[in-house]
Amino acid sequence: DAGVIQSPRHEVTEMGQEVTLRCKPISGHNSLFWYRQTMMRGLELLIYFNNNVPIDDSGMPEDRFSAKMPNASFSTLKIQPSEPRDSAVYFCASSLTGDQPQHFGDGTRLSIL
Amino acid sequence: DAKTTQPPSMDCAEGRAANLPCNHSTISGNEYVYWYRQIHSQGPQYIIHGLKNNETNEMASLIITEDRKSSTLILPHATLRDTAVYYCIVRVAGTASKLTFGTGTRLQVTL
Repeated sequence: DAGVIQSPRHEVTEMGQEVTLRCKPISGHNSLFWYRQTMMRGLELLIYFNNNVPIDDSGMPEDRFSAKMPNASFSTLKIQPSEPRDSAVYFCASSLTGDQPQHFGDGTRLSIL
Repeated sequence: DAKTTQPPSMDCAEGRAANLPCNHSTISGNEYVYWYRQIHSQGPQYIIHGLKNNETNEMASLIITEDRKSSTLILPHATLRDTAVYYCIVRVAGTASKLTFGTGTRLQVTL
């Protein structure tokens, strides 16, 4: 079975540019989560969706970050404009329902120069 | 969610059992104990979870004390591929809630 698929695996761009990270959850999973991991702050939840609806976005750092889930099989996390402090590994996870174990993708390593 | 405390690092010889402890003294009656691990450059991987009974699956065993204030994750025959950071997480049952990852235990399996 395919797991959570994230793209791209690596992204290097200059500050000020728009960055779009993509995630395909496991088929049949109704909940999707975006996390960010840095050395300083560890793994932090940014936002999660249930049945394509954003439920909790309290972890989104600021208005430069936005996330969408247009359908059950696709989600995006967008940063515009990007800043060097956004450099991190961004993980997407999905679960069958919100209270079930989460399954993570391999992440997108983002570097903002 | 209750806070958890784990040792920062542990070593284990390959083929031996790895016993990873976790303290969660403020756990509530409706909170599960979850274990995840993160192998270098990969996303976190779900291992096992439990409420109050001991649990076992193909990856590991979870032993929860009777008062539920601590637990131990057991990898019965550790291999080099089990080298990873192991996270113990407490989470309210039956609700959609975030996983709060602490600093975990870095397990190094050696020859």
